[in-house]
Amino acid sequence: GAVVSQHPSWVICKSGTSVKIECRSLDFQATTMFWYRQFPKQSLMLMATSNEGSKATYEQGVEKDKFLINHASLTLSTLTVTSAHPEDSSFYICSASARFSPISGNTIYFGEGSWLTVV
Amino acid sequence: GEDVEQSLFLSVREGDSSVINCTYTDSSSTYLYWYKQEPGAGLQLLTYIFSNMDMKQDQRLTVLLNKKDKHLSLRIADTQTGDSAIYFCAESSLYGNKLVFGAGTILRVKS
Repeated sequence: GAVVSQHPSWVICKSGTSVKIECRSLDFQATTMFWYRQFPKQSLMLMATSNEGSKATYEQGVEKDKFLINHASLTLSTLTVTSAHPEDSSFYICSASARFSPISGNTIYFGEGSWLTVV
Repeated sequence: GEDVEQSLFLSVREGDSSVINCTYTDSSSTYLYWYKQEPGAGLQLLTYIFSNMDMKQDQRLTVLLNKKDKHLSLRIADTQTGDSAIYFCAESSLYGNKLVFGAGTILRVKS
């Protein structure tokens, strides 16, 4: 099946620095990628939707200047947490979908997630 | 807005059947999904059902959809200890791929 890979799997960074997380679709072209955030023992909260070649659409309450999303190609989207603070520590998960087809369905594939710890 | 609700916890004995329930509010929901998340890991798609179906079976998994009541369930037959995980119900509409997730149901399987 389709594979979505995230890198790094976990990262520790100092407060005030920026960190980049990559999300790649390995065997299909992802026209749309999604970034979610998950706090411990909680559900996934959608942060933003990114379409290849255009600006990301952010959910209400998500700071677009803090969480920079770039979807420069059909196989890669990046999330950059700028000026990270301890409260940004979380599990970040990306997902990707191919071109939507009413016949084949709307399957969305998730990456393995990236643990971010800001110290 | 859209809302998806799940029961938070389910405990079963190994070999029994597990039934995890989910309700949603968005009448335009077209695809309904079940994902499994093991500790510290990403999400694994278990199965999904299109809204014009009322049942889908895949090996030990049976999904039932009551569109009138906006109720979705996941039945796991012969539950094993390896099935212990958090199970998320999610929905999306025809016109977008955005998923709205429930809070997740913790399934604990006792041997």
